[in-house]
Amino acid sequence: IAGITQAPTSQILAAGRRMTLRCTQDMRHNAMYWYRQDLGLGLRLIHYSNTAGTTGKGEVPDGYSVSRANTDDFPLTLASAVPSQTSVYFCASSEGSGNEQFFGPGTRLTVL
Amino acid sequence: KQEVTQIPAALSVPEGENLVLNCSFTDSAIYNLQWFRQDPGKGLTSLLLIQSSQREQTSGRLNASLDKSSGRSTLYIAASQPGDSATYLCAVLPQLQGAQKLVFGQGTRLTINP
Repeated sequence: IAGITQAPTSQILAAGRRMTLRCTQDMRHNAMYWYRQDLGLGLRLIHYSNTAGTTGKGEVPDGYSVSRANTDDFPLTLASAVPSQTSVYFCASSEGSGNEQFFGPGTRLTVL
Repeated sequence: KQEVTQIPAALSVPEGENLVLNCSFTDSAIYNLQWFRQDPGKGLTSLLLIQSSQREQTSGRLNASLDKSSGRSTLYIAASQPGDSATYLCAVLPQLQGAQKLVFGQGTRLTINP
């Protein structure tokens, strides 16, 4: 069982470019989440999805969008990347919105 | 607004010692509290989840306790090993309508010296 996979592992991106970070889970979890981790700021929730077909905004949603077309996939899109979006991005999932969360290995994104 | 604090920020102990990591939170209205470990450059690994109705959870050499009324949790690591070296994060899920986000502490960076 792979759990949660994220792609790419790392990426360097020019400012203004569009980028989609991919997240797939094979645990059939209903809820999925995107966090960013920054030194000194800790982990902050960007967007979440309680179930396929629904999404919600977290603490820092500006500049990001998500979709949840099916149970397994939860892509995060940066429509026009800016240097302040340089961060490590983690996808997570849980059986339900109040259950234990499991994290993917992360994507290290650098926007120049 | 819920805030989570972990003190100390870093801890270094010799191998074999028992140790306690501390986590405090400002609002006792929580669904659960979760402890994670994070190795450098890696993702978070869930260690223990304590529901708000529980007082403690155990997994192997790890024991986590929860005192909601005082807004505190501890992670006890018995017989520490060099492989326990990592950053340990605690996070609470607030008991607010529609609340989804875990609120994380800044972590305690633990080093176990052989």
